[in-house]
Amino acid sequence: QKEVEQNSGPLSVPEGAIASLNCTYSDRGSQSFFWYRQYSGKSPELIMSIYSNGDKEDGRFTAQLNKASQYVSLLIRDSQPSDSATYLCAVLPSGGYNKLIFGAGTRLAVHP
Amino acid sequence: DVKVTQSSRYLVKRTGEKVFLECVQDMDHENMFWYRQDPGLGLRLIYFSYDVKMKEKGDIPEGYSVSREKKERFSLILESASTNQTSMYLCASKLSGAAYNEQFFGPGTRLTVL
Repeated sequence: QKEVEQNSGPLSVPEGAIASLNCTYSDRGSQSFFWYRQYSGKSPELIMSIYSNGDKEDGRFTAQLNKASQYVSLLIRDSQPSDSATYLCAVLPSGGYNKLIFGAGTRLAVHP
Repeated sequence: DVKVTQSSRYLVKRTGEKVFLECVQDMDHENMFWYRQDPGLGLRLIYFSYDVKMKEKGDIPEGYSVSREKKERFSLILESASTNQTSMYLCASKLSGAAYNEQFFGPGTRLTVL
């Protein structure tokens, strides 16, 4: 069974701090990795995708991928209360053909 | 903007009823998906479809069936609803091709089976 693991949280950070969200996956052949944000009562929306080892930055968000350690993370700089949400890690496993595997999500709470 | 709509936001049904959940997307996406989301378990794939009349089982297809007669519409059917099918149901769609990885989600249907 291919798995994606996340700490459920809540991860509580003060406004302006860096929030660090982590995800590990079991399928070593996975090639595509995604972070979705889900506000309470809403549907998930894609915020970052990463396909190769290293860092990918988009505004205040940085995704980091380490395939050797089967680890992907999301850093949120200058965290804002509006970043409070559940962050879902999703992985496209080898031979997945569009079938993403989602982690259970980490709840982030940014307090003023 | 891609729009994925679902027929109901909230639904209450009784055990044994047949339940239809409908999803419509307006961007000509080939692929459509049905997930359920439960606390602590994340999103789990029930069924997906990569073309009209084509379907494939996901990770938890038991107790569900699907129908895709038109490209824009993907229906999830609970033949005989049970209380363990109380959940949030999310539909998603995406284009085919390795360059198109984003799945676009509908607003969800919160189903309660009494």
